[in-house]
Amino acid sequence: EAQVTQNPRYLITVTGKKLTVTCSQNMNHEYMSWYRQDPGLGLRQIYYSMNVEVTDKGDVPEGYKVSRKEKRNFPLILESPSPNQTSLYFCASSLYSGRETQYFGPGTRLLVL
Amino acid sequence: DQQVKQNSPSLSVQEGRISILNCDYTNSMFDYFLWYKKYPAEGPTFLISISSIKDKNEDGRFTVFLNKSAKHLSLHIVPSQPGDSAVYFCAAITTGANNLFFGTGTRLTVIP
Repeated sequence: EAQVTQNPRYLITVTGKKLTVTCSQNMNHEYMSWYRQDPGLGLRQIYYSMNVEVTDKGDVPEGYKVSRKEKRNFPLILESPSPNQTSLYFCASSLYSGRETQYFGPGTRLLVL
Repeated sequence: DQQVKQNSPSLSVQEGRISILNCDYTNSMFDYFLWYKKYPAEGPTFLISISSIKDKNEDGRFTVFLNKSAKHLSLHIVPSQPGDSAVYFCAAITTGANNLFFGTGTRLTVIP
C-alpha cells in the first residue's frame, strides 16, 4: 500500500530535550516536505527536499533541522524544542515537486512542556 | 505575513445545496493553486487544482474558479454531501519554486 508513515504519532517532551520525528514514504517520490498545523494559522511549510541531499527552507524553518540521506526518509529534528513548537506536524511527499499532488502522513502531535 | 487567506473559518450547508469556499492571495506571482481536504485525525488529501492559465477546473462535484485580477479563487461543491464535512485548505505556489503556501482552512459542515 502506497503511504507516508510518521513516528511517533504522539509525543510529550520537555523544553530543550532533542527529538526526532521520522517520516518514510514507499512511493519512490523525490519531493518530501514537513508542515506544521496551528489553530488560526493553517498549514505552514517548515522544510522541503527535492531529492537526496537537497533540502531547502520553507516558510517557518527556525528551530528545525532536516536531513535527506535516503530517498524514502526525511526526518525532522528539533535540537532544542521550545513550547512554541507545540503543534501538529505533517510529512508529505510527491513525485517531483510541490506543484504535484502531495500525499500526507497521518500527523504527529507534539507537546513541549 | 499570510500570503494565502481563507477568511471564513467555518461554513454550514444543507445536504444537496451548493458549498462555496473562498480563498484570497496577495502574491501575484502565484501561478498554481490546489485544494486539499482534511478529516480529523488524518493527513490532508488532494482534491483539485488549477493553473493560472485557466479560470475554471471541474472534477465531478468539485469546481474551482480562479479570478486572477481579484487574486481570488473559490471551490464549489455541488451537491454537497455529509461526507464532504471536513476542513478545506487552499494552497498556492509560484513557477520555479517548490515551497507551498497554505491558507488557514475552512471547516465545512454539511447538515443532513
